[in-house]
Amino acid sequence: GESVGLHLPTLSVQEGDNSIINCAYSNSASDYFIWYKQESGKGPQFIIDIRSNMDKRQGQRVTVLLNKTVKHLSLQIAATQPGDSAVYFCAETVGTALIFGKGTTLSVSS
Amino acid sequence: DTEVTQTPKHLVMGMTNKKSLKCEQHMGHRAMYWYKQKAKKPPELMFVYSYEKLSINESVPSRFSPECPNSSLLNLHLHALQPEDSALYLCASRLTDGAYEQYFGPGTRLTVT
Repeated sequence: GESVGLHLPTLSVQEGDNSIINCAYSNSASDYFIWYKQESGKGPQFIIDIRSNMDKRQGQRVTVLLNKTVKHLSLQIAATQPGDSAVYFCAETVGTALIFGKGTTLSVSS
Repeated sequence: DTEVTQTPKHLVMGMTNKKSLKCEQHMGHRAMYWYKQKAKKPPELMFVYSYEKLSINESVPSRFSPECPNSSLLNLHLHALQPEDSALYLCASRLTDGAYEQYFGPGTRLTVT
C-alpha cells in the first residue's frame, strides 16, 4: 500500500546547527501533512502542519517545505538545541486516519 | 485542558489475563484513536471512533476490543494477548469538522509475559 517514509533513520548535528529532516510520500491524494516529535517515553507531539495547497509554512524555529512535484516533505529546525533530540515522524492524512513515516532520530550534541 | 491522559503508564500481564487500557480527553474532540507502536517504529493505527461509533478497525485481532463509553473516554480491553503484543499503546484525539491535527497521550507501555 501507499505510505509515507523518511530518507534517513538517524541525523547527528552540533548544537546551533540547522537541521533538515526529509520525508518522501507516495499518496498523491493526501491533502494535509504533519510533523511530529516523539521524545523517549512520550507520545508524539505536534510540531507543524502544512496543507497540500501550500509549499512552505513557518513556525517558531521550524519550517516545513512541501514539494508536490516530487512528493517530498522536509522539516527544517533552526539553531538546533539539545532539547530537540528526539525521533521525528512525518505523517499524511488519509481520510480520518494518519499514516506515519518511518521516523528519523535526531541527536544533538553540545 | 489540552491534554490526552492514559492509564496505566505501565502494564505487565500474563497471556491468560484480562486487562483494560483507558484514555480520556476533555477538549471536546469527537474522534478518538488507538495506535500500537513497537520499539523504533512509527505508530500503527488500530481503531478509530468518530462520534462514539467505531469507524475504522484496521484488521486488529479480536483479542483487542475497543470501547467508547462517551465522547471523553476510550477504552481498550485486552484478553488472551501474545508476547508479540508487547508495545506502547497510544491514544489520540481530534476535533473533527475540518481539523486534522491529532493530539496524543503519553501511552501505556504493555508487556505480555
